[in-house]
Amino acid sequence: AQSVTQLDSHVSVSEGTPVLLRCNYSSSYSPSLFWYVQHPNKGLQLLLKYTSAATLVKGINGFEAEFKKSETSFHLTKPSAHMSDAAEYFCVVSGLGNTGNQFYFGTGTSLTVIP
Amino acid sequence: GAGVSQSPRYKVAKRGQDVALRCDPISGHVSLFWYQQALGQGPEFLTYFQNEAQLDKSGLPSDRFFAERPEGSVSTLKIQRTQQEDSAVYLCASSPGQRENTEAFFGQGTRLTVV
Repeated sequence: AQSVTQLDSHVSVSEGTPVLLRCNYSSSYSPSLFWYVQHPNKGLQLLLKYTSAATLVKGINGFEAEFKKSETSFHLTKPSAHMSDAAEYFCVVSGLGNTGNQFYFGTGTSLTVIP
Repeated sequence: GAGVSQSPRYKVAKRGQDVALRCDPISGHVSLFWYQQALGQGPEFLTYFQNEAQLDKSGLPSDRFFAERPEGSVSTLKIQRTQQEDSAVYLCASSPGQRENTEAFFGQGTRLTVV
């Protein structure tokens, strides 16, 4: 069975300060992990994905995530928050199951950026 | 088209009415997923197709929900006798195939409101 847990439902940061959105996963084998962002009334956009090639993954808009197998974590970070980063963020795990490649979402973290 | 297209974007249905939601995946994508996203929640898996075969429908909440993808491209999610609890955004996603590490590409969703 595969699942993800997003540890914070809401995160609030000041503009220009670092962002940390936490995600822990559970998987019976080596997972594929993704972070998606959803702006209000917009579709889900892929930020980055872990493909097992490198544990530190760089994504769009200055976001990064580090895969830590020992901690079963895949936290999303950004050195300096921008107002446009305010959105809902979803951590997603996928893997091949009996019926193909499925994607399982966390419950989301709402990021607020304070000017 | 360049991305996953869903129609209509918005649908208001009277309770008891039947609705049909359409998804045009990215051309050539083998896998197609439907998700239901209630207000303030993460997307919940409904069903999954590989080409025209519906390999997993375990997430469909009741027998009022039905999905098809008869020619392995366009998919339709049908909800019969809509209820207020069906109000949600219905997201469609496609991905290239069954390989690991391939991300899902999402449409903008159909917002269904049952009154």
